Amino acid sequence: GEDVEQSLFLSVREGDSSVINCTYTDSSSTYLYWYKQEPGAGLQLLTYIFSNMDMKQDQRLTVLLNKKDKHLSLRIADTQTGDSAIYFCAEISPNFGNEKLTFGTGTRLTIIP
Amino acid sequence: AAGVIQSPRHLIKEKRETATLKCYPIPRHDTVYWYQQGPGQDPQFLISFYEKMQSDKGSIPDRFSAQQFSDYHSELNMSSLELGDSALYFCASSLSGRAHEQYFGPGTRLTVT
Repeated sequence: GEDVEQSLFLSVREGDSSVINCTYTDSSSTYLYWYKQEPGAGLQLLTYIFSNMDMKQDQRLTVLLNKKDKHLSLRIADTQTGDSAIYFCAEISPNFGNEKLTFGTGTRLTIIP
Repeated sequence: AAGVIQSPRHLIKEKRETATLKCYPIPRHDTVYWYQQGPGQDPQFLISFYEKMQSDKGSIPDRFSAQQFSDYHSELNMSSLELGDSALYFCASSLSGRAHEQYFGPGTRLTVT
């Protein structure tokens, strides 16, 4: 998406941590999301963070939000081969007449054995 | 728990034909959203409906139309299909006023030959 940017590719060794970054432009973004998409499959919601938070942790996943810099990151600890996928960040600032999720360009995560 | 149902899951059409995609939201969800994901691209919002009325509109071509019915299911009608319409079409649903909690269906893969 033109308002949400991500790096296109990331390669990580199995067992290492992966950090996927995202920048967005809409300062009114209220909710920010991370989705995972495996080849030919649908969108799996991994986690989301409300804009008044700066960190959220859920098992191997840690989301960091820097609202000042409009920067969102997803850290995957102990990366496994099953983590290979495309990861999309997305944002929404829901209000009347604006209900769309805006997705980033997606980062393809490749795991090196 | 019941999820969003989309049918068909796969559809092959020829250029200039018409296609109809269906979406059945999660029970009690009254708002439906449609997204289009072209090959190698991020999902793009097309249109959304609440209580059978269009609630938000994105970059939906004039050849496409959509509606929501009294049982809240929605249909996306695409006419004069072009090769560039080949994509994965996602439907999502939510409760009204909860656009930040959109639940995605598995998608319909449309191939135009």
